[in-house]
Amino acid sequence: AQKVTQAQTEISVVEKEDVTLDCVYETRDTTYYLFWYKQPPSGELVFLIRRNSFDEQNEISGRYSWNFQKSTSSFNFTITASQVVDSAVYFCALSGGGPSGTYKYIFGTGTRLKVLA
Amino acid sequence: GAGVSQSPSNKVTEKGKDVELRCDPISGHTALYWYRQSLGQGLEFLIYFQGNSAPDKSGLPSDRFSAERTGGSVSTLTIQRTQQEDSAVYLCASTPPRRAGGETQYFGPGTRLLVL
Repeated sequence: AQKVTQAQTEISVVEKEDVTLDCVYETRDTTYYLFWYKQPPSGELVFLIRRNSFDEQNEISGRYSWNFQKSTSSFNFTITASQVVDSAVYFCALSGGGPSGTYKYIFGTGTRLKVLA
Repeated sequence: GAGVSQSPSNKVTEKGKDVELRCDPISGHTALYWYRQSLGQGLEFLIYFQGNSAPDKSGLPSDRFSAERTGGSVSTLTIQRTQQEDSAVYLCASTPPRRAGGETQYFGPGTRLLVL
């Protein structure tokens, strides 16, 4: 079965602190894809990153970075020097790849991040 | 290019009435998904359309829910005899044609449904 676990329901940090959002996944697919989305108070989900299972290189985009570790089935997301505008709910998601991989996207329950000024 | 659009943005209805929610995917996207997000909750898969294939309706919560996709583009989600527990945000997402799988989903702004 496929599953995505975001154990942190809510995190509060003070502006400029670093924060890491955890994501642990389960899948039987040998090829799969992982995603992070941001859902600000306005409600629309914004795509942040897509990573396939064969690429374990960490990725950095500005203040955002992602750490993908197949050995622990984790795809964690770190925001460096957080800002109030980072306040949102963040979702981790999983989908299958290849001809037999599942086309469904499994979402975690989300982590609500509050960045306080 | 235009993103995924949904209408109406908000819908207030009375219990027992039928509602129709519309989704216009990104042009050229062949896959379309509907999700439901209850207040403060994650995304609940409802239905999936891919090209001309039969849709995957496994996530529809009851037979009051149905969806169709005309001409491989616009989709309509219909909820008959609405109940208060149907109140939620209904999100639509589309993806480019499947090649390797795991194509990025692009979401619409959602329709906020309130059943009184």
